[in-house]
Amino acid sequence: SYVLTQPPSVSVAPGQTAEITCGGSDIATYSVHWYHQKPGQAPGLVVYDDTDRPSGIPDRFSGSNSGNTATLTISRVEAGDEADYYCQVWDSSSDHYVFGTGTKVTVL
Amino acid sequence: ELQLVESGGGLVQPGGSLRLSCAASGFTVSDNYMTWVRQAPGKGLEWVSLIYGGGTTYYADSVKGRFTISRHNTKNTLYLQMNSLRAEDTAVYYCARRYSDYPASYMDVWGKGTTVTVSS
Repeated sequence: SYVLTQPPSVSVAPGQTAEITCGGSDIATYSVHWYHQKPGQAPGLVVYDDTDRPSGIPDRFSGSNSGNTATLTISRVEAGDEADYYCQVWDSSSDHYVFGTGTKVTVL
Repeated sequence: ELQLVESGGGLVQPGGSLRLSCAASGFTVSDNYMTWVRQAPGKGLEWVSLIYGGGTTYYADSVKGRFTISRHNTKNTLYLQMNSLRAEDTAVYYCARRYSDYPASYMDVWGKGTTVTVSS
């Protein structure tokens, strides 16, 4: 089955840039979506189809996807960006959704 | 407003059964692709099941043969029947809507979740 690997944690100072990677075999051939989740809350979409943002998500959030790595970039990080972040794809070979292992973003 | 509200969670003994419900408002469940996603305590998100608008269903290997996804069209409600429950099924269960009929599409509407605890 398809596996998506994320770093367990990323720490960043306010105002700096956080990069969260999502590794998977030939992930560039998949549409990657990113969700954030704060404690006790349901997940929410932050980036879809590799690079697009839903309405209401600031342009500080951006995505890219190339080779074997997709990346969510948070620019000018704010305290409110602290959350867990998950990447997700649809694996057509197994008709399964796959979530990444998740990354906890800590704002120092 | 698009909304999903889960219910039916609780404490159940290993080997027992439970049926989760997910009531939708603002859209029609039978016209959409609906999923269940779970999250064990302190763990990440795990996809559980998917039902197409036409009724085709898919399951994660970890629940196949034990869980059944279904819907009630007039009640506009999604269900997850869980049988032969195990301790490792303990999790918060979320229902979510897939945005479009494109298989690789994202989940755009999520419920707040319902908690299932499997323990003796």
